[in-house]
Amino acid sequence: GAVVSQHPSWVICKSGTSVKIECRSLDFQATTMFWYRQFPKQSLMLMATSNEGSKATYEQGVEKDKFLINHASLTLSTLTVTSAHPEDSSFYICSAPPGTGGRDTQYFGPGTRLTVL
Amino acid sequence: KQEVTQIPAALSVPEGENLVLNCSFTDSAIYNLQWFRQDPGKGLTSLLLIQSSQREQTSGRLNASLDKSSGRSTLYIAASQPGDSATYLCAVRLWDYKLSFGAGTTVTVRA
Repeated sequence: GAVVSQHPSWVICKSGTSVKIECRSLDFQATTMFWYRQFPKQSLMLMATSNEGSKATYEQGVEKDKFLINHASLTLSTLTVTSAHPEDSSFYICSAPPGTGGRDTQYFGPGTRLTVL
Repeated sequence: KQEVTQIPAALSVPEGENLVLNCSFTDSAIYNLQWFRQDPGKGLTSLLLIQSSQREQTSGRLNASLDKSSGRSTLYIAASQPGDSATYLCAVRLWDYKLSFGAGTTVTVRA
């Protein structure tokens, strides 16, 4: 089946620094990737949708200038958390939308645990 | 806006007992509903996907039902095992490909 990878799997950074998270589709091409965020003991919340070759679309309440999304190619989408603060500490997961790889399910990456000190 | 609720938030059972996990959603105009498993600090594993036209799906010891009109789905896990300990997430998909997730039910199966 379709495989989505993320890098890094976990990262610890100091407050004020920027962190880049990569999401790759390993055996298929994805024109769209979804980015979710999950706080401890809470549900996954959709942050934004990255679109290859065009601007990302953000969900209501998500700061575009803080969470920079780039979909540079059909196999790579990146999320950069700029000027990270402790409240940005969360689990970030990307996923390829339904229909990818010929199936109706949605494929999720393994997630990236971000801890901001 | 679609709201997804999962009850209970946590469940602890002895090995061998059957598990019943509930999911409710507010907007019945869904495309499909999916159940996922999430292990601590890990990503999501898809368990079952039920299309809006279906009433249930089965895979091994897992059975999920869907009552779209009442906005409910139930995941049954038969003869639970310690390896079933995880958080189970319910997610509904609308026609725009976006998923709305519940907060999950954390299951502990005691040996």
